[in-house]
Amino acid sequence: SQELEQSPQSLIVQEGKNLTINCTSSKTLYGLYWYKQKYGEGLIFLMMLQKGGEEKSHEKITAKLDEKKQQSSLHITASQPSHAGIYLCGADGLGNFNKFYFGSGTKLNVKP
Amino acid sequence: DVKVTQSSRYLVKRTGEKVFLECVQDMDHENMFWYRQDPGLGLRLIYFSYDVKMKEKGDIPEGYSVSREKKERFSLILESASTNQTSMYLCASSPPDRLYSNQPQHFGDGTRLSIL
Repeated sequence: SQELEQSPQSLIVQEGKNLTINCTSSKTLYGLYWYKQKYGEGLIFLMMLQKGGEEKSHEKITAKLDEKKQQSSLHITASQPSHAGIYLCGADGLGNFNKFYFGSGTKLNVKP
Repeated sequence: DVKVTQSSRYLVKRTGEKVFLECVQDMDHENMFWYRQDPGLGLRLIYFSYDVKMKEKGDIPEGYSVSREKKERFSLILESASTNQTSMYLCASSPPDRLYSNQPQHFGDGTRLSIL
C-alpha cells in the first residue's frame, strides 16, 4: 500500500511565525491533496497538486510538490490563531483511483 | 459548492445495537467513502462505493457493512455495535476521475459515535 509520512507530528508556533509541514511518500505521487481539520470536525480541502514542481498558494498557505513527485510541503506564512488545527496530506492510490491514503496528520497550535 | 451531509454530529448507542450512519451528497459523485478516525491511528478507510449497489472493502471492514441504493446516499451499518467502534466517522464523496476532473474528495462534518 502507499504510505505517507508526515512531519512533524505536532507543532507549536508563535503567532506571526512561518512554518512548514512535510509529506513524504515511498512511491510516486499521482495526486497529492492537503486538508485541514479543526478539532472534532470534518476535513476542509485546501489544495491539490499533480505535476512535479507544481506550487499553489491560497492566502498565506503555499503547497509544493517536488520534481520527483515523492515529497510535498505545506508552508504557512505569518501564522495566525485561525491556522490552528490538524493538517493532513492525502494521495490517490497508485493504479487504483478508488482508493485514497492519508498521512497521520500534523497538529498545529498557534500561540497568540 | 459540494455538500456532503452526515445525518448526526453526535450519537450515543449501546453495545449490541444495530447502528446506521447516513451520508448524502449533492454533487452526483460516483464515489463515496466511509472512514473512521482515531487518535494515533489517523484516518482509516472502512468501505467505499464506486456506483449504486457497488462496494469494496477498505482497510478495516470487519464489523461494518454498507448500503448504496441511491447514488446520493451511502449508509454505514454497525451490525452489532461494540465499544471498540467508538470513534469519529467521516463520509466523503468524489468523482471517479479525481485527477482528470481536478476535484478532490469532499468530506462531511463527521459523526462522533460513542458506544456504551
